[in-house]
Amino acid sequence: EPEVTQTPSHQVTQMGQEVILRCVPISNHLYFYWYRQILGQKVEFLVSFYNNEISEKSEIFDDQFSVERPDGSNFTLKIRSTKLEDSAMYFCASSETGIGEQFFGPGTRLTVL
Amino acid sequence: GESVGLHLPTLSVQEGDNSIINCAYSNSASDYFIWYKQESGKGPQFIIDIRSNMDKRQGQRVTVLLNKTVKHLSLQIAATQPGDSAVYFCAEILTNYGGSQGNLIFGKGTKLSVKP
Repeated sequence: EPEVTQTPSHQVTQMGQEVILRCVPISNHLYFYWYRQILGQKVEFLVSFYNNEISEKSEIFDDQFSVERPDGSNFTLKIRSTKLEDSAMYFCASSETGIGEQFFGPGTRLTVL
Repeated sequence: GESVGLHLPTLSVQEGDNSIINCAYSNSASDYFIWYKQESGKGPQFIIDIRSNMDKRQGQRVTVLLNKTVKHLSLQIAATQPGDSAVYFCAEILTNYGGSQGNLIFGKGTKLSVKP
């Protein structure tokens, strides 16, 4: 069964450093998303991406965040200058149609020290 | 001040019993709803979905009920098993063919604990 994959599973970084979180969505899906989940809290939407551009973004997704689809398979989330409060699980998701089920990856745990 | 995490409601059931998990959604215009299951250390896993033109939908051992009048969703799990132990989230989408790409708005979650 096809699945969304994410790397790394755990990323530890120093405050102020840049991180890139990587995702490989399901191959025939066209809509891509990033969500985050701070420990013990609910999952929060960050950004959606379609046709090589951002469709929608939340208030959390400020100028420190960017997304890219550098090739036909990868979808990345970059945080330019990490802050302590960026520590969270980051989930990538993809959807075939954009209005149906979203399939989630296993997540990357980001720890900012 | 220091922020604290949400205290998750917990439902504890005996193996074999039926479970009912409730959720209040926020936007009366939302037209698509999904229940996700999240096991510790994993991403949300799709369980069942329902569109706003339906009141009830059944899957394998699971049933979702939608009450649009009071903006309420419930997930019923029949014959609950230890493997059902997880946090369950409802999520809503306001689909907009002209704009929104279906961003999920998650509820707070309920922790289901199944006792063998």
